[in-house]
Amino acid sequence: AQSVTQLGSHVSVSEGALVLLRCNYSSSVPPYLFWYVQYPNQGLQLLLKYTSAATLVKGINGFEAEFKKSETSFHLTKPSAHMSDAAEYFCAVSATNFGNEKLTFGTGTRLTIIP
Amino acid sequence: DAGVIQSPRHEVTEMGQEVTLRCKPISGHDYLFWYRQTMMRGLELLIYFNNNVPIDDSGMPEDRFSAKMPNASFSTLKIQPSEPRDSAVYFCASTPWGQGVSGANVLTFGAGSRLTVL
Repeated sequence: AQSVTQLGSHVSVSEGALVLLRCNYSSSVPPYLFWYVQYPNQGLQLLLKYTSAATLVKGINGFEAEFKKSETSFHLTKPSAHMSDAAEYFCAVSATNFGNEKLTFGTGTRLTIIP
Repeated sequence: DAGVIQSPRHEVTEMGQEVTLRCKPISGHDYLFWYRQTMMRGLELLIYFNNNVPIDDSGMPEDRFSAKMPNASFSTLKIQPSEPRDSAVYFCASTPWGQGVSGANVLTFGAGSRLTVL
């Protein structure tokens, strides 16, 4: 079974500051990991994904995440926050074996950007 | 591509009424997922289909909920009878076969159907 834990349901950062959203995973098999973003009244959109190629994954809008197996973590970062980054962010995990294609999401982190 | 299309976007109904939510996945996507989002429980997977066949419905809360996928371009999620605790945003998402087999599912989500049961 797979699960993810997102630390901090709300994170506030100043515009231009570093964004760090934390995600730890649990998986009985090598995982695939994802970050999705949800803007108000919209569905989720993929930010980036880890599929065992490179441990540092770059996504859209300047976001990146690093897979650290020893720490079972997949934290999301962005060097400089922009007002348009205000949204809810979800970490998700799926298994790599056939028959376990479903994504399990974390509870989400709401990111607020302070002008 | 119009993306994943869900209808209705908003539904307000009274307790005991039947509710039907609809989803049209992206053409060529062989996996279809139904999720429910609430403040209390976050995003919960209700059921998913592969090639129109239900694969895992362990997330369906109870017998009041049912889902069908009669063909590759249409799925429904039905609640009968509805209860106030069913109030949530219901999302449909789809992904192509190749990604499903390899496990790296990149789901494309619809805009959601916001259900309010009074």
